[in-house]
Amino acid sequence: EVVLTQSPATLSLSPGERATLSCRASQSVSSYLAWYQQKPGQAPRLLIYDTFNRATGIPARFSGSGSGTDFTLTISSLEPEDSAVYYCQQRYDWPLTFGPGTKVDIK
Amino acid sequence: EVHLVESGGGLVQPGGSLRLSCAASGFNFSNSWMSWVRQAPGKGLEWVANIKSHGNDKYYVDSVKGRFTISRDNVKNSLYLQMSNLRVDDTAVYYCASGAFWANWGQGTLVTVSS
Repeated sequence: EVVLTQSPATLSLSPGERATLSCRASQSVSSYLAWYQQKPGQAPRLLIYDTFNRATGIPARFSGSGSGTDFTLTISSLEPEDSAVYYCQQRYDWPLTFGPGTKVDIK
Repeated sequence: EVHLVESGGGLVQPGGSLRLSCAASGFNFSNSWMSWVRQAPGKGLEWVANIKSHGNDKYYVDSVKGRFTISRDNVKNSLYLQMSNLRVDDTAVYYCASGAFWANWGQGTLVTVSS
């Protein structure tokens, strides 16, 4: 099973600042890594698929990078509505797995 | 517009059964992979099961193999999850999600397994 580790567990930043979220896989997942945003009481929302492809309607301030075992989600300039938990997820191998999440707090 | 609406959740005793449904609209359901993903209260996301477009290929997380069955009806545009021998640790919100990238999700249905 591919284990995904996310860091940091919590990120507290001010509006306008840059957020860098990390996801590390226990083995290579090639480029088959996605990022989801989840706000309290809501379903997850796809942000990025296959490492760097933004989903429909996702603002350009969200970008993804990486390959193999190390991946990054960058939010270039935080908005108040970006307060959420962010999960990475791999679809390279069964079982499909998620990371534990990074909580982003906006000060 | 894509809509996914789950139903069938509720309170069930350990060892009991429940059938979840997901009604889909607004996209080509019969050509889409479909999935179930769950989230225990206050916890992270866990993939449960996938089914290919034709319904012949199915995949499960180990913890539900032999207890849960994913199925679909491409005429009714519906996805199902038959859950049996339920355990307390199956308590979660169950979401259905569409496509290979899970671009669309339902609102979820809560399953509570408790005596």
